[in-house]
Amino acid sequence: DGGITQSPKYLFRKEGQNVTLSCEQNLNHDAMYWYRQDPGQGLRLIYYSQIVNDFQKGDIAEGYSVSREKKESFPLTVTSAQKNPTAFYLCASSGEMNTEAFFGQGTRLTVV
Amino acid sequence: GQQLNQSPQSMFIQEGEDVSMNCTSSSIFNTWLWYKQDPGEGPVLLIALYKAGELTSNGRLTAQFGITRKDSFLNISASIPSDVGIYFCAGQLMRNFVFGPGTRLSVLP
Repeated sequence: DGGITQSPKYLFRKEGQNVTLSCEQNLNHDAMYWYRQDPGQGLRLIYYSQIVNDFQKGDIAEGYSVSREKKESFPLTVTSAQKNPTAFYLCASSGEMNTEAFFGQGTRLTVV
Repeated sequence: GQQLNQSPQSMFIQEGEDVSMNCTSSSIFNTWLWYKQDPGEGPVLLIALYKAGELTSNGRLTAQFGITRKDSFLNISASIPSDVGIYFCAGQLMRNFVFGPGTRLSVLP
């Protein structure tokens, strides 16, 4: 099945630790995105990548880092510099015309 | 960043009723998208609109791309319990997407 896979579904992090969220797509899409969703709020853009080995900061990039070494993969690292990392994280991808975004099932990160 | 205004913020309806929600922006978009999100899941694309004035249906859902390119609405006819969830609008411009805050729909039996 073609789609976007995020893992893990749930992640717990101790304060001061870095954690990496996985996002893989087999849709052959060039563009990939990471969004953060907090309760009762819309989606805020963290980072996006339009092509392999290139990525740009979104509206709330501080405390996060990404890499795009392969077209299929766009992992997000939540660093210890992110002061309030507890949230629902969504990965998305978009095809050649960039007209529609398709989402993974999300990763819920909780700091304990 | 850019913002979309989505209304209503939440709504409670009886099963079988029709639902209408809308999304407005101060910016022009090339594409309008409507998504539904179930609790703990990622948003699922319901309808995509590609040009001003376009009216598109998907089963009981109907959406329109506003003539000014700054707004869109979504209608759901004859609501059923599985329509419960959060509905997001999104505008696409250049290579990015802007999302509304969502409309939370509750359907009472």
